[in-house]
Amino acid sequence: DAGVTQSPTHLIKTRGQQVTLRCSPKSGHDTVSWYQQALGQGPQFIFQYYEEEERQRGNFPDRFSGHQFPNYSSELNVNALLLGDSALYLCASSSGGQSINVLTFGAGSRLTVL
Amino acid sequence: GENVEQHPSTLSVQEGDSAVIKCTYSDSASNYFPWYKQELGKRPQLIIDIRSNVGEKKDQRIAVTLNKTAKHFSLHITETQPEDSAVYFCAASKGSNYQLIWGAGTKLIIKP
Repeated sequence: DAGVTQSPTHLIKTRGQQVTLRCSPKSGHDTVSWYQQALGQGPQFIFQYYEEEERQRGNFPDRFSGHQFPNYSSELNVNALLLGDSALYLCASSSGGQSINVLTFGAGSRLTVL
Repeated sequence: GENVEQHPSTLSVQEGDSAVIKCTYSDSASNYFPWYKQELGKRPQLIIDIRSNVGEKKDQRIAVTLNKTAKHFSLHITETQPEDSAVYFCAASKGSNYQLIWGAGTKLIIKP
């Protein structure tokens, strides 16, 4: 049983570019949350998707957007990249109801913005 | 909104000794409190969690205690081993319609 898978694992972009990160949730999970983790910091909540809708959002600008597909996989898009967007982007999946905050994390996508 | 404070930021203990990490939360409506372990370069992993209808939960060498009156919860690790070295994060949530609010993390160092 595959856990949460993310791609790509590493990528380098330049300021102003756009990036798309992808996530496949754990089998049986229907909810996907995205987090940003800067070096030496804790995870910061970006947003959560359920039934293809964004149901919660953290304190991130509109440059950060996402999508969830009918198979529950998800994408995170970041436009107009800034140096400060360099971080590990973690996807976490969960099932609904009382377990929606019981998270299984992927290994992350490390984004470097030059 | 909810705020979660975690202490200490770094904890160094001798192998075999116990380690305790404490978190306080501000919103009395919070009812779910997980702990995640993140080893260097790896993903966070849920190690134990507790809901507000329970005061204590144990799983082998780890335990979590919750004091709702004081609004704090603690992670206890007994008989620490080198593989316990990691960053530990606490978090709190008010329920399924609310995101997890995370603490800043505690770096646990196990000295041989």
